Amino acid sequence: DGGITQSPKYLFRKEGQNVTLSCEQNLNHDAMYWYRQDPGQGLRLIYYSQIVNDFQKGDIAEGYSVSREKKESFPLTVTSAQKNPTAFYLCASSIERGTYGYTFGSGTRLTVV
Amino acid sequence: SQQGEEDPQALSIQEGENATMNCSYKTSINNLQWYRQNSGRGLVHLILIRSNEREKHSGRLRVTLDTSKKSSSLLITASRAADTASYFCATDARNNNDMRFGAGTRLTVKP
Repeated sequence: DGGITQSPKYLFRKEGQNVTLSCEQNLNHDAMYWYRQDPGQGLRLIYYSQIVNDFQKGDIAEGYSVSREKKESFPLTVTSAQKNPTAFYLCASSIERGTYGYTFGSGTRLTVV
Repeated sequence: SQQGEEDPQALSIQEGENATMNCSYKTSINNLQWYRQNSGRGLVHLILIRSNEREKHSGRLRVTLDTSKKSSSLLITASRAADTASYFCATDARNNNDMRFGAGTRLTVKP
């Protein structure tokens, strides 16, 4: 079955540590996105990529980094520069804007310990 | 910045009743979409309505769009306990390369 897989489901980070969240899709979608969701709030865009080897900053890119070396993969690194990383992180992909909606993964809950 | 804003923030109804959620936005859009999120899960796409469409149906869902008022509504008819979730509108604006989501309406359907 086609879909988006995010891993891990839960992640704990120590202060000053970098962590990487995985996002893999087998939908052959060109565009991929990372959103952050805080309790009771909507989604805020961190980074997005419309094609391989290209990505753009979203509204809250500071303290995060991404890569898009393969069409299927769009990993997100939460660096030590991100001062408040505890949140729910959602990855999404899309094939054709304006025609279809986004397909979302099931999310990664990151907690700083 | 977030584009759509849902109203109300929370809605509680009895099973069998209809639920109406509203979304307002600020700029011109290509389309508007509604998503559902169960607690602790990813979002699921429900319906997309283009800027030149006024109403769209999908099963028990009815979406309207009024571009002159920059608003949309999602109606869920004959609600079920399984409809309990958060519902988000997302706008595909003409001058953006991505979609913007509102804060959502948290719907509780009591059995």
